[in-house]
Amino acid sequence: EVQLVQPGAEVKKPGESLKISCKGSGDSFSKYWIGWVRQKPGTGLEWMGIIYPQDSDTRYSPSFQGRVTISADKSINTAYLQWSSLKASDTALYYCVRQTVLRENFYFYYYIDVWGKGTTVTVSS
Amino acid sequence: EIVLTQSPGTLSLSPGERATLSCRASQDISNTYLSWYQHRPGQAPRLLMYGASNRATGIPARFSGSGSGADFTLTISRLEPEDLAVYYCQHYNSSLLFTFGPGTKVEIK
Repeated sequence: EVQLVQPGAEVKKPGESLKISCKGSGDSFSKYWIGWVRQKPGTGLEWMGIIYPQDSDTRYSPSFQGRVTISADKSINTAYLQWSSLKASDTALYYCVRQTVLRENFYFYYYIDVWGKGTTVTVSS
Repeated sequence: EIVLTQSPGTLSLSPGERATLSCRASQDISNTYLSWYQHRPGQAPRLLMYGASNRATGIPARFSGSGSGADFTLTISRLEPEDLAVYYCQHYNSSLLFTFGPGTKVEIK
């Protein structure tokens, strides 16, 4: 069973940088799109972006473009989410996810089928 | 950009009752691009339905999905206490980008 392992929590001050990781198990990690989903306290899920570790092709939600950087190191089955200068508004729970494309009969289905447990990022002075 | 709207915001029902959750897109979308997720308190979300009406592996038969065009529905035929959760619909667009709806919270009386 594929698992995505994330650190539990990070505490930072405004203006600091941060890079959180997501390590996948299994040989096929680099052949799936790996994404990030944010949940701010008391709010819903927000899809941030994805990366294909095999070639580092990356896509961002317009809401997060330019605000975070998604990267990956396929040699160690790890994806990353990075901030260069954190703000208090970045305080949230961040889930690493695997996006899957299923071909069934003549149709293609797209969905998230694996979720990490999430990394809580707290930004406070 | 397609926007998803979910209603009601909160649904409060008793065990054994039927729950009907709505997801409406700002324009017609393909069924194959619509998924539903369950997010229980303190847990990571999990996939319930893909392609609007296909149950994911391990999902009980009391969960069903339907709809087409811009209107989709998730139905829980007989609520159980463990169904307490927020339910999100999600749309995939052809540029590999996903969008979540705002969610419907299901409370168990």
